[in-house]
This record gives sequence, structure tokens and C-alpha cells, in this order.
Amino acid sequence: DAKTTQPPSMDCAEGRAANLPCNHSTISGNEYVYWYRQIHSQGPQYIIHGLKNNETNEMASLIITEDRKSSTLILPHATLRDTAVYYCIASGTYKYIFGTGTRLKVLA
Amino acid sequence: DADVTQTPRNRITKTGKRIMLECSQTKGHDRMYWYRQDPGLGLRLIYYSFDVKDINKGEISDGYSVSRQAQAKFSLSLESAIPNQTALYFCATNGRGGEQFFGPGTRLTVL
Repeated sequence: DAKTTQPPSMDCAEGRAANLPCNHSTISGNEYVYWYRQIHSQGPQYIIHGLKNNETNEMASLIITEDRKSSTLILPHATLRDTAVYYCIASGTYKYIFGTGTRLKVLA
Repeated sequence: DADVTQTPRNRITKTGKRIMLECSQTKGHDRMYWYRQDPGLGLRLIYYSFDVKDINKGEISDGYSVSRQAQAKFSLSLESAIPNQTALYFCATNGRGGEQFFGPGTRLTVL
């Protein structure tokens, strides 16, 4: 599975869009990009995943570049409850390596 | 009721003791996973199982063993606990869609 690289931390103002980047330059054709988040010490929560097309659900949007080497998770209107660690994972084998993620802090 | 349950939720034990952490799921998923999380760090994969007869080592399997007793049950054992195994342990399941569902975690302290 491809290695992913994320910034260690980001801040976002409440009500604004939070754009969380992820680099996965060695991703192969059958690997999906998954995003999870972890609030405090709770179990991680699935957000969204995609292969090559952009995806949107009730929580977020996932934008994957055409070459698939990077992606961006967009939380359109961040709230204080979105403060969490966000993990980007590239996997095609159902073996998920989480890494250290991006700690997003939403500021009032 | 929760889809993925873990017992115990908290455990304090002593060095050298054998410990078993249990995980049960009601989602009917074949794939199950054990992760470990140290303070301020991400999750690291210990073991995973794609069905009852399939067990695979993850990133950090040394010092741990697992048992897949049934589709719904996946246990993690520490044969002889040591202090650096103090951590938060998560069990997860995964269905056909790729989405993982996590349990609430077990906080283990080894003195």
C-alpha cells in the first residue's frame, strides 16, 4: 500500500471550509484513498473514500488529482466538533496503515 | 447496541502477566483488525484477519498473538505483558465497501 504524507497540524476558523491535503505519490491504480478522523481517544470514524473520481457525502468532499498523486478532504463549513485528527490512507488490499494524520483545530 | 464491542474497556496489569483483549462484532464482516495507539501517535496495525482461517501480521506483531474464534470474535493476547505495551488498543471490522468500523478501545496499563 502506498505511503501517505500529511501536514502534522492545521487550524481553521469556524464556519470556513477546512481543506486537508494528502500526498500519495506512489499510489497504484487499484488503491483507494480513504479518510478517517479520530476525536480525542475515540475509535476512528470513517469519512469518505474514492478511487479517482471526486466524491461527496453528508460529511465531506474528496478531491483527487487527475494523476492520483494527491488528494484533499474538504469540510465545507467546519464546526468546533470537527476538531480531530484526520487520517489519509491509500490501500488496495484492505490492510490499512494509518500514519500520524493531521491534527485539525477549528477555532471559534 | 454497538456494532463492535471490546472488553475490557480498561485494564491495569503487572509485568509478566498474560492478558487477553476481546473483540466482538455484529456486522457480519469477515475482516477484523487489531490496532495499537500510543499517546500523541497514530494507529499501528498489530494483526489482521480476512476470515476465520486467515491471520496476518501487521506492522508491530512482536509480543502479541491473536485468535479468530469465529467470524464475530477476534482476540488479542499479550503472553507476557511489558510496560511498553501500555497503550490504547482498538479493534475494527471491515466489510466489502472498504469502510472500517472501530470499537471503543481498551486502555491497557502495564505496571
